[in-house]
Amino acid sequence: EVQLLESGGGLVQPGGSLRLSCTASGFTFSTSAMTWVRQATGKGLEWVSTISGGGGSTYYADSVKGRFTVSRDNSRNTLYLQMNSLRAEDTAIYYCAHGSGISMIVWDSWGQGTLVTVSS
Amino acid sequence: EIVLTQSPATLSLSPGERATLSCRASQSVSSYLAWYQQKSGQVPRLLIYDASTRATGIPARFSGSGSGTDFTLTISSLEPEDFAVYYCQHRSNWPPTFGQGTKVEIK
Repeated sequence: EVQLLESGGGLVQPGGSLRLSCTASGFTFSTSAMTWVRQATGKGLEWVSTISGGGGSTYYADSVKGRFTVSRDNSRNTLYLQMNSLRAEDTAIYYCAHGSGISMIVWDSWGQGTLVTVSS
Repeated sequence: EIVLTQSPATLSLSPGERATLSCRASQSVSSYLAWYQQKSGQVPRLLIYDASTRATGIPARFSGSGSGTDFTLTISSLEPEDFAVYYCQHRSNWPPTFGQGTKVEIK
């Protein structure tokens, strides 16, 4: 059974930084692309970033490009999202997501999410 | 960036009725369209990918159709657990984008 567990969310001031983690189990992490998707309270889903299985390819939404960095540690089965220069509009639940072979950007497994609140 | 527009924003129906949800893309996404269901307080669940292929474990009452720019998700007979928000999402190119969602509510 695929399990994804996010952590690292919390309250941070505008301009601050935060690092999210997602620990995975139940599949071969090192060969699987992984994605972050976010959802502001009461709003829709927004793709944030995707990283290939080996980590050599990364993709970002324009809204976070240059501020967020996605990475992974395949020895620890862990995905990361380093978020810098945070803004109020980054406030959301951040989900990590995985697709079981359909495509790197179709997701059939989701974590429960971690809440990031950017506020002074 | 491809914009996905879902309609209607809200669909008010009774259990047992048929639900028809629409998703229109600003340019062709071929058949690279997926549908997700999100119940209140829960994480999204993949229902349909590549326009018409049901994901593992998804009941047959859910079906998808369309190609190019116009897509439909049909729920043939609504069950109580189907009242939720539904999102479409394309994977035609980068960035993948979602529609704004259609809420299916109990009439």
